Amino acid sequence: ELKVEQNPLFLSMQEGKNYTIYCNYSTTSDRLYWYRQDPGKSLESLFVLLSNGAVKQEGRLMASLDTKARLSTLHITAAVHDLSATYFCAVKSNMDSNYQLIWGAGTKLIIKP
Amino acid sequence: NAGVTQTPKFRILKIGQSMTLQCAQDMNHNYMYWYRQDPGMGLKLIYYSVGAGITDKGEVPNGYNVSRSTTEDFPLRLELAAPSQTSVYFCASSYIGDNYGYTFGSGTRLTVV
Repeated sequence: ELKVEQNPLFLSMQEGKNYTIYCNYSTTSDRLYWYRQDPGKSLESLFVLLSNGAVKQEGRLMASLDTKARLSTLHITAAVHDLSATYFCAVKSNMDSNYQLIWGAGTKLIIKP
Repeated sequence: NAGVTQTPKFRILKIGQSMTLQCAQDMNHNYMYWYRQDPGMGLKLIYYSVGAGITDKGEVPNGYNVSRSTTEDFPLRLELAAPSQTSVYFCASSYIGDNYGYTFGSGTRLTVV
């Protein structure tokens, strides 16, 4: 059974600091997604990582995928208040023939001015 | 371009009542999904569809039914509502191969009392 673990689950940080959110998964996969959710809102796609070593960047966010370590990271550079949100990773197993994504529990990020 | 449209946004049901959550997309996506999100948790897949006339169970299908008569519409039916079905429900869609991630609707907040 594919399991996806994010850590930390909660992160409070100051503006201007750097930090990394980790997403570990338990079985082989070469397809990982990062989403952002603002309170009471829907989910917004941030990154789709499709191969080992994939790295994508958008503004102050950078995501990477290491399929051998079964690990993805979401790095935040010089955080700003607008990045406060809950961030989810989701993984599709190579072992399943269906179309199910398994979701992490989310990392609630609060960035203080 | 509306994307994925869900209705209603909020609903309170009494135990034992039934209702249908509506979902429509205008992006000509083949794949559609229904998820539920419980407080502080990630998403769990209820049902999905890979095209008109084709549906399949996800991780938590009990108490729900779906149909997909057209590419655009994917309604979710709750029969005999129970308090355990109190949740936020998201509909999503994607292209074949989902290399671009999923597009989510705005969600339906359902309370069963």
